[in-house]
Amino acid sequence: DGGITQSPKYLFRKEGQNVTLSCEQNLNHDAMYWYRQDPGQGLRLIYYSQIVNDFQKGDIAEGYSVSREKKESFPLTVTSAQKNPTAFYLCASSEWQKSATNEKLFFGSGTQLSVL
Amino acid sequence: SQQGEEDPQALSIQEGENATMNCSYKTSINNLQWYRQNSGRGLVHLILIRSNEREKHSGRLRVTLDTSKKSSSLLITASRAADTASYFCATDALGAGSYQLTFGKGTKLSVIP
Repeated sequence: DGGITQSPKYLFRKEGQNVTLSCEQNLNHDAMYWYRQDPGQGLRLIYYSQIVNDFQKGDIAEGYSVSREKKESFPLTVTSAQKNPTAFYLCASSEWQKSATNEKLFFGSGTQLSVL
Repeated sequence: SQQGEEDPQALSIQEGENATMNCSYKTSINNLQWYRQNSGRGLVHLILIRSNEREKHSGRLRVTLDTSKKSSSLLITASRAADTASYFCATDALGAGSYQLTFGKGTKLSVIP
């Protein structure tokens, strides 16, 4: 069953704690993304990766970190430096062609992060 | 900053009616996409229209693109209660040099049975 799996579905963070959100895909996609969604808002790009061992900052990367050691996995760490982490986090993937424009994104079902 | 802005922010219609949502954007684009999000879930891709296309259909969906006005519309015909969701437009800026989509804030559609 192909798709993107995000875990956990709900996550609680204590002050000063780092937490890691998991994102795994079996679609053989090169590109992966992390978006943050606040209530009533659109999606804002945190980080994206077009290839293994490479990633780029999006619009709101401060307080977040990522790694891309495997094609299938793109975990997001919300660090203690992110002072307002409560949000719905969405991971996505897509095919990527160097000369082509964006193709459609496939999304996971999201992780709701809340601060205790 | 938000590239695409949907209008209206919320829309409530009776089942069987048509629903029209609009999206405006600021800079030239390669393509524009529409996504749907059920409450508390991820987004699902609906349709992609390229900058050299003016209209595209997919089932009960019709998307138009007017690059001179920098706007797009999504029409859902013969709406069903199951169409209740938020709908987002997303744009890929021309010449951005990076692989990013910029999403609007969405239109929340409620279809009343």
